[in-house]
Amino acid sequence: DSGVTQTPKHLITATGQRVTLRCSPRSGDLSVYWYQQSLDQGLQFLIQYYNGEERAKGNILERFSAQQFPDLHSELNLSSLELGDSALYFCASSLRWTGNTIYFGEGSWLTVV
Amino acid sequence: GEDVEQSLFLSVREGDSSVINCTYTDSSSTYLYWYKQEPGAGLQLLTYIFSNMDMKQDQRLTVLLNKKDKHLSLRIADTQTGDSAIYFCAESIGGGADGLTFGKGTHLIIQP
Repeated sequence: DSGVTQTPKHLITATGQRVTLRCSPRSGDLSVYWYQQSLDQGLQFLIQYYNGEERAKGNILERFSAQQFPDLHSELNLSSLELGDSALYFCASSLRWTGNTIYFGEGSWLTVV
Repeated sequence: GEDVEQSLFLSVREGDSSVINCTYTDSSSTYLYWYKQEPGAGLQLLTYIFSNMDMKQDQRLTVLLNKKDKHLSLRIADTQTGDSAIYFCAESIGGGADGLTFGKGTHLIIQP
């Protein structure tokens, strides 16, 4: 158990809909990352937050957004969902924003039908 | 640009050593990581190495880094059936500030 908690574990939704994925980082970790894992793209970095502020942005679509709250949990919002958004979405956390180890949660499986 | 390459499959016999290789392209990488993913599970951090190190050992795991050739390897001694998984190599240029760049993963298959 990495200490990173993600909910929901599985989600099935229709095209055009909007979903929110939630992540609680390990106790004491200030940085949260979101990754997408799909068969064709592999593991792709989406976005990073550190202590409530956006720190780095990767291959995140404009239809996707994220935020980190004062209690340090984070949410990833996916809107106008398309079939190609079906993937495993990982949250990860680390103590600092740089030079440290990064621990991943179990992931949220999203299926868009 | 950033690119991490790994072989897709590795098959070894139980009890033998497994060596999983990885090459990366960005010489400014500061940390390099190995993660393990079992079927239906998340990513488990196995070990990491800082770019100023050549080797790191942790029980059955040995990581070797050849910075000149941009080559990273993970050796698993006495491979067991429980080691069957996908192993991902990842690089972090800013130590994580810009996220990790992952390879496609190596499927480790254990033969009895």
